Order: sequence, then structure tokens, then C-alpha cells
Amino acid sequence: GQNIDQPTEMTATEGAIVQINCTYQTSGFNGLFWYQQHAGEAPTFLSYNVLDGLEEKGRFSSFLSRSKGYSYLLLKELQMKDSASYLCAVRDPPDSWGKFQFGAGTQVVVTP
Amino acid sequence: DVKVTQSSRYLVKRTGEKVFLECVQDMDHENMFWYRQDPGLGLRLIYFSYDVKMKEKGDIPEGYSVSREKKERFSLILESASTNQTSMYLCASRTSVMGSNEQFFGPGTRLTVL
Repeated sequence: GQNIDQPTEMTATEGAIVQINCTYQTSGFNGLFWYQQHAGEAPTFLSYNVLDGLEEKGRFSSFLSRSKGYSYLLLKELQMKDSASYLCAVRDPPDSWGKFQFGAGTQVVVTP
Repeated sequence: DVKVTQSSRYLVKRTGEKVFLECVQDMDHENMFWYRQDPGLGLRLIYFSYDVKMKEKGDIPEGYSVSREKKERFSLILESASTNQTSMYLCASRTSVMGSNEQFFGPGTRLTVL
């Protein structure tokens, strides 16, 4: 199985940078995902890492170190609309139908 | 535009009732999933299906069953609803094609069992 840990809540100011860490312990690994979920809405996909390193997508970047069981999501130039819960998820093998294990989510609060 | 729909956004049922939650996707995805989401616990997998008529237990299947008679539809059934099944239920789907990785989620059903 998987054990996935991420902080419960983080607060940052508009325009700042916030880094959300995620650590995992796995019996299998086939990719790490980050999702954004606004209150009362469905999660939406942000990023995917399967190899070590940094993936950049606009204001959002995600990093993975498989040897350390560690990932982070970096949110730059924070905007008020970035206030949401951010979910870290690890996928089991196989690629075709591997199930996801989710962390409890990190609530990011962006203040003016 | 990809779409996963769920039959109800809000549902109120009484203890002991049989409850059906329906999920439909229009993306011809092979894999479908049912999760429940509770504060502090995150998303927990109840059941998933990787093909029509196929089903696999997730991490918390007790008290639930599922049905997948057609590729586009995945139903979650609470045989006898209990108050501890009050939760947000999220359906998701995903293709099994290599390289296409993300799950697409429905809007969720907030179920209250009285």
C-alpha cells in the first residue's frame, strides 16, 4: 500500500511563492500526480511526474525524487484564485489501470 | 470537452435505505473509480473497474457494492445506508491507453444519511 503525507494548511500572500511538500512510502510506484480542488468542486489535474526532476507548467512546477519518496508543487506569483486544496496522489502499477492513492490535501490560503 | 457526470449533487437518505449513485462518462474510458472524500482523510478509493462487468475492491469497500453493465456507466450502491456513510462521493474515469495518465473527476455527490 501507500502512505502519503502533506501539510494540512499553508498561508501565503498574493504574488508570493509557496512550496507544498509531499512524501510517500510505496510498495509500487508508477507516477505522482498533483490535483487542485476548489471548495465544493471536483479535483482538476495539475501535473504528473514519473521520472526524477522538475516539470514546469506556467506558474506551477512539480518536482520528484523517487529515491527519497518526495515531491513538491511550487506555485509562483500567487493569485487569489489559487486558494484551494492541493492533492498529492501516487499511482500503482500497472500503467493501464493502476489505482491512485491520495494524500489528505493541503489547503492553501492566499491573502491580499 | 471531456465530461464525467453524477446523477445528483446533493442527496439525503434515511438509515437502512438502499442508495444508488450513478456516474456516466462520455470519453470511452476503460477505467472508472468511486471515491469518498472526508475532511482530514482525503480521497479514499471504494471500488474501481477496468472493464465492463469487471470490478475490484479499493481500500474501503465495506458497505458498498458496484455495477458496471455498460462501459460509460459505473454505479455505486449502498445496500443499507448508515450514518457513517455520510460523505462526498466522487466518481472518476481514465483511459487505459499508455501515456494518457490523468483521472477526470465528476462534480461529486454530497450524501447525507439521517
